[in-house]
Amino acid sequence: GAGVSQSPSNKVTEKGKDVELRCDPISGHTALYWYRQSLGQGLEFLIYFQGNSAPDKSGLPSDRFSAERTGGSVSTLTIQRTQQEDSAVYLCASSHGLAGSSYEQYFGPGTRLTVT
Amino acid sequence: TQLLEQSPQFLSIQEGENLTVYCNSSSVFSSLQWYRQEPGEGPVLLVTVVTGGEVKKLKRLTFQFGDARKDSSLHITAAQPGDTGLYLCAGLSSNTGKLIFGQGTTLQVKP
Repeated sequence: GAGVSQSPSNKVTEKGKDVELRCDPISGHTALYWYRQSLGQGLEFLIYFQGNSAPDKSGLPSDRFSAERTGGSVSTLTIQRTQQEDSAVYLCASSHGLAGSSYEQYFGPGTRLTVT
Repeated sequence: TQLLEQSPQFLSIQEGENLTVYCNSSSVFSSLQWYRQEPGEGPVLLVTVVTGGEVKKLKRLTFQFGDARKDSSLHITAAQPGDTGLYLCAGLSSNTGKLIFGQGTTLQVKP
């Protein structure tokens, strides 16, 4: 595809359930980022990958959050035992070159997660 | 912790008016980016400013990076309804390499 894709676009889950959010970056982009966005607000950095490695996991809100990236491509963000405060839009972005450079980040449309 | 304070948070104006959005921090950033986001979509990069004092123009949009690289502004001339959206500034931290986002400015331009 031409851009970053994310699935599902919307996810409604019950409190306490686990969810998996998927991101397909632009082919060839080595850096991949996950952000969380509350309604109409700015983006909160969660984690980034350089290749398959995640050098900095300090942005993950709690140990219920984890992420992995395989083959330098697809990434999955997993939230275990979801809580209502996890409700937000989860955005994925990818870029050329090294994470932390000023290369443009291309964002996907996001996954809107609602925890009831 | 590096923070970017963006103001105003909400702005509702009539078509044809001018406006300025501000992005301020006490921290120095390697570069600063401005994004525009529409409902249901991810942010789209408008511009990156790198040098202190730099001014970039994109049609009716003028972006300025402060001399000390701690603040930035976005000025829109003769706003149009198509400019409606969420505008986000984001600073690239020279310490951590992370993009630090402001809270965003929701702009509504009424015809």
